[in-house]
Amino acid sequence: QVQLVQSGAGVTKPGASFEISCKASGYTFSTHSIYWVRQAPGQSLEWMGWINAANGNAKYSQKFQSRVTLSRDTSATTAYLTLLSSTSEDTAVYYCARGFGGYGAFLDFWGPGSLVTVSS
Amino acid sequence: QSVLTQPPSVSGAPGQRVTISCTGSSSDIGAGYEVHWYQQLPGTAPKLLIYGKGYRPSGVPDRFSGSRSGTSASLAITGLQAEDEADYYCQSSDGSLGAVLFGGGTKLTVL
Repeated sequence: QVQLVQSGAGVTKPGASFEISCKASGYTFSTHSIYWVRQAPGQSLEWMGWINAANGNAKYSQKFQSRVTLSRDTSATTAYLTLLSSTSEDTAVYYCARGFGGYGAFLDFWGPGSLVTVSS
Repeated sequence: QSVLTQPPSVSGAPGQRVTISCTGSSSDIGAGYEVHWYQQLPGTAPKLLIYGKGYRPSGVPDRFSGSRSGTSASLAITGLQAEDEADYYCQSSDGSLGAVLFGGGTKLTVL
């Protein structure tokens, strides 16, 4: 069965960077892109970017383009999100999700989410 | 502010039918990009509910259905049950920006 297991972040200080990992299992990692979506407290879902697990190419939301890096390790079947220069507005639950299809993909499996709290 | 517009809340009594709208523009839904729907129960990750032309993943009851017309889409839930109380989100794509778009979410209350 498809599983996405997330780890990382937690509490981080303003101005610091943080990384969240997303380990995939139950399918061939390189055949699906990994999407990253965040949800601030009480807010809607916000797309941050996606990475092609086969070739490592990434597409970023314009909002996060300068501060986010997506990467993956195919041997570890793991995708990573790194966010730089965090502020309190980055406090959110961060989800990774598997994309199905090309452009206009839907997200068929989601990780449980990683809570990141940016606070001094 | 979300690019896809959803009503903040809808409600219905058990057994009734409710619909949730998702309004976009000529750059996204109107450009032919598919609309997908997710259900998010409190404290959990979103779950895929409807994808593409109204398809349901395995395990999703046929009480849930999706449709699209012009620059809008709708999610319909018939035979409302208490367990349907959740937040619902639509998702599409924007060809001009290459972006993934989510709606603002709709909270469904079962009375």
